[in-house]
Amino acid sequence: GAVVSQHPSWVICKSGTSVKIECRSLDFQATTMFWYRQFPKQSLMLMATSNEGSKATYEQGVEKDKFLINHASLTLSTLTVTSAHPEDSSFYICSARAGVATNEKLFFGSGTQLSVL
Amino acid sequence: QKEVEQDPGPLSVPEGAIVSLNCTYSNSAFQYFMWYRQYSRKGPELLMYTYSSGNKEDGRFTAQVDKSSKYISLFIRDSQPSDSATYLCAMSNNAGNMLTFGGGTRLMVKP
Repeated sequence: GAVVSQHPSWVICKSGTSVKIECRSLDFQATTMFWYRQFPKQSLMLMATSNEGSKATYEQGVEKDKFLINHASLTLSTLTVTSAHPEDSSFYICSARAGVATNEKLFFGSGTQLSVL
Repeated sequence: QKEVEQDPGPLSVPEGAIVSLNCTYSNSAFQYFMWYRQYSRKGPELLMYTYSSGNKEDGRFTAQVDKSSKYISLFIRDSQPSDSATYLCAMSNNAGNMLTFGGGTRLMVKP
């Protein structure tokens, strides 16, 4: 299957700082990438849809000014958590569609555990 | 009511048992059905991908979709301790970009 690389795998930061998470499609071009958030023992919650070359589409309740998404190339999307607070501590996962059709399979990155002190 | 319902478990079985994991859903527009396996603190891994109703087999895994009942299943034969993980069902419609996930079932296979 297609490979999606996500970095870093874990990060600890102080409250008020910003953290950037990268998501790369290694062997395919991804016009669309998705960012999810997962709390312990819960399922994935879609935060936003990232389209290459255009603004991201955020789900209801997700602050676009806090979770900045940039999808500047067909192989890279970044999520920046700005002015992080302890309640932002969570497991963040990206995924990418391996193709342009809406029914193409999604492949996931390995996730980033964010801990805000 | 959630669009996709999945028993959270945990489901504990002995090694070698046949495991049955299930999801029910309410949106009749769903056409694509997937099962993902997620190990603790890792991203989900796609296991099975099916379109519309029917069965699909891949090694020890069999996925079944019954659209008339809005019910999907994943069967794992000869379960192994390495199968211990959380299994997430997911589905989407023809025109949608998004996947709707179930809450996940935690499976524990004991040696």
